Amino acid sequence: EAGVAQSPRYKIIEKRQSVAFWCNPISGHATLYWYQQILGQGPKLLIQFQNNGVVDDSQLPKDRFSAERLKGVDSTLKIQPAKLEDSAVYLCASSLDPSANTEAFFGQGTRLTVV
Amino acid sequence: AQSVTQLDSQVPVFEEAPVELRCNYSSSVSVYLFWYVQYPNQGLQLLLKYLSGSTLVESINGFEAEFNKSQTSFHLRKPSVHISDTAEYFCAVSVVQGAQKLVFGQGTRLTINP
Repeated sequence: EAGVAQSPRYKIIEKRQSVAFWCNPISGHATLYWYQQILGQGPKLLIQFQNNGVVDDSQLPKDRFSAERLKGVDSTLKIQPAKLEDSAVYLCASSLDPSANTEAFFGQGTRLTVV
Repeated sequence: AQSVTQLDSQVPVFEEAPVELRCNYSSSVSVYLFWYVQYPNQGLQLLLKYLSGSTLVESINGFEAEFNKSQTSFHLRKPSVHISDTAEYFCAVSVVQGAQKLVFGQGTRLTINP
């Protein structure tokens, strides 16, 4: 079974530029998450989708971050414009359903460096 | 709101020695508890979880964790570590009622020395 696929693996951009990350979840997984992991910290949930609807985006900085999952399968996360403090690893995860006891499977992440 | 504290950012141990990675949590409602492991250049993988029942849970590679409600802890232990256990370990919680929203601790980097 293929895992959660993310691209690119690494990205370096200058501040004020825009960037987009892509995630393809495990086939059949209805729930998709984006997490931000800043160096030395644990992952923090940015947004959770159930199919193509947003379940939770309370910690998404909506002035610069946006995410979509138009067909309820793959998803993109965009930052525009980027700030230095956005340097982090962006993790995508998926699960079969949103129940709290369902295992979430994580991709390898995209490491973003903003200079 | 929930929070997780991992008391040690780094734990160096010798191969075949025992290890304990500490995790404490705070929550006003019932939670599920998880340990995730991140090997170098890989994504997060679920190591073990406590949902209900026996407070002692085990993984397939010899780790175990015990849920202690009175002390709000979920420490991870292994009686004898191997070089291959070198990784970063994250403790996480999720509220029982509602959608899964993992709240992670800061992580503990376990380094095994030969």
